[in-house]
Amino acid sequence: AQTVTQSQPEMSVQEAETVTLSCTYDTSESDYYLFWYKQPPSRQMILVIRQEAYKQQNATENRFSVNFQKAAKSFSLKISDSQLGDAAMYFCAYYSGTSYGKLTFGQGTILTVHP
Amino acid sequence: DTGVSQDPRHKITKRGQNVTFRCDPISEHNRLYWYRQTLGQGPEFLTYFQNEAQLEKSRLLSDRFSAERPKGSFSTLEIQRTEQGDSAMYLCASSLEVGGPSGGYTFGSGTRLTVV
Repeated sequence: AQTVTQSQPEMSVQEAETVTLSCTYDTSESDYYLFWYKQPPSRQMILVIRQEAYKQQNATENRFSVNFQKAAKSFSLKISDSQLGDAAMYFCAYYSGTSYGKLTFGQGTILTVHP
Repeated sequence: DTGVSQDPRHKITKRGQNVTFRCDPISEHNRLYWYRQTLGQGPEFLTYFQNEAQLEKSRLLSDRFSAERPKGSFSTLEIQRTEQGDSAMYLCASSLEVGGPSGGYTFGSGTRLTVV
């Protein structure tokens, strides 16, 4: 079974600084996708960034980028120029082509942004 | 279309009572998923539908839980004889069949259940 592990229950960053959230996963599949989702307090979960396992190039979306290390099964999220609106719970998630769209989530990391 | 809607947003019930939640997905999405999220944890998969067919159920979905998606549109999740351990956020999500989460996976705001 696939597992996703986020070892940082909480992280904090100063506004305008950079922070990296860690995620590791375990799978025997070769075709899969990895995601970072953001869940603000009492609000719905939204997709931050996604990475296809077959792509060697790391995904980037504006201030968000990932460091995808396939051999190490590591998938970290870097947030540059942190903003107060980035404060939320962040979840790493995994999906494979054989899972019919079912996502497997990590435990989450609470990110606090200090002004 | 304003996205995935869930009703109610909050539900407080007494232990032993039955509760039903509703999810209205994005109209063109033929896949619909239910997840359960306990406080401070990541969502856990419960079940999913493709159109009206329930194709997979997690072992987390005990006999007290039942989900339906009549006519492949909205879905309901019913919990019978609620227990305090059922207290959680119940999330619904929908997607197109092609691409799944990689092609667009929209979550609702969830229904927070408190069993007292």
